[in-house]
Amino acid sequence: EAQVTQNPRYLITVTGKKLTVTCSQNMNHEYMSWYRQDPGLGLRQIYYSMNVEVTDKGDVPEGYKVSRKEKRNFPLILESPSPNQTSLYFCASSPRAPGSLTDTQYFGPGTRLTVL
Amino acid sequence: DQQVKQNSPSLSVQEGRISILNCDYTNSMFDYFLWYKKYPAEGPTFLISISSIKDKNEDGRFTVFLNKSAKHLSLHIVPSQPGDSAVYFCAASGVSGAGSYQLTFGKGTKLSVIP
Repeated sequence: EAQVTQNPRYLITVTGKKLTVTCSQNMNHEYMSWYRQDPGLGLRQIYYSMNVEVTDKGDVPEGYKVSRKEKRNFPLILESPSPNQTSLYFCASSPRAPGSLTDTQYFGPGTRLTVL
Repeated sequence: DQQVKQNSPSLSVQEGRISILNCDYTNSMFDYFLWYKKYPAEGPTFLISISSIKDKNEDGRFTVFLNKSAKHLSLHIVPSQPGDSAVYFCAASGVSGAGSYQLTFGKGTKLSVIP
């Protein structure tokens, strides 16, 4: 089954404790992206990756890191989480980057992160 | 600066009637527009899209209209069904300041279809 998986689905942590949220897709997609969803703010892009070893900042990259060592995986790293990073996080992938003939993005089920 | 705006946080519609969800954008460089639907505890799923060279795209009960001069698009659902109750996100695709294509989402509209 074609899908985007994220782990963990739920995480409660404390300020300053490094964490990684994993994302994996089995569709051989080139483009992967991380979003956060906050009440009243909708979906905002954190980082994206056009292909292996190619990553770039989205709209809200502060406090986050990513890596793309393999095509299928795109982990989101919070080196020193803070309470303002409490949010619902979505990973997404698409065959190519969004464009005029854009392929649709497939989203993972989400990771609800709480930073105390 | 919010480039994609969904000014109605919520909408309630009677089953069988038409649901109209609206979206405005400010960036004239956007050239592709999409609607995503999101149920609680799930990721958004693609619903329908439209290219800027068209003014209408239809898929079953769902139709998206684009008015480029007004920088406005709308999603019509006819007839509305209780299973359509979800949050709907409008998204626009275009070249970002960094020169790459980026997808920008609105804040979402929560649709409730009343049986």
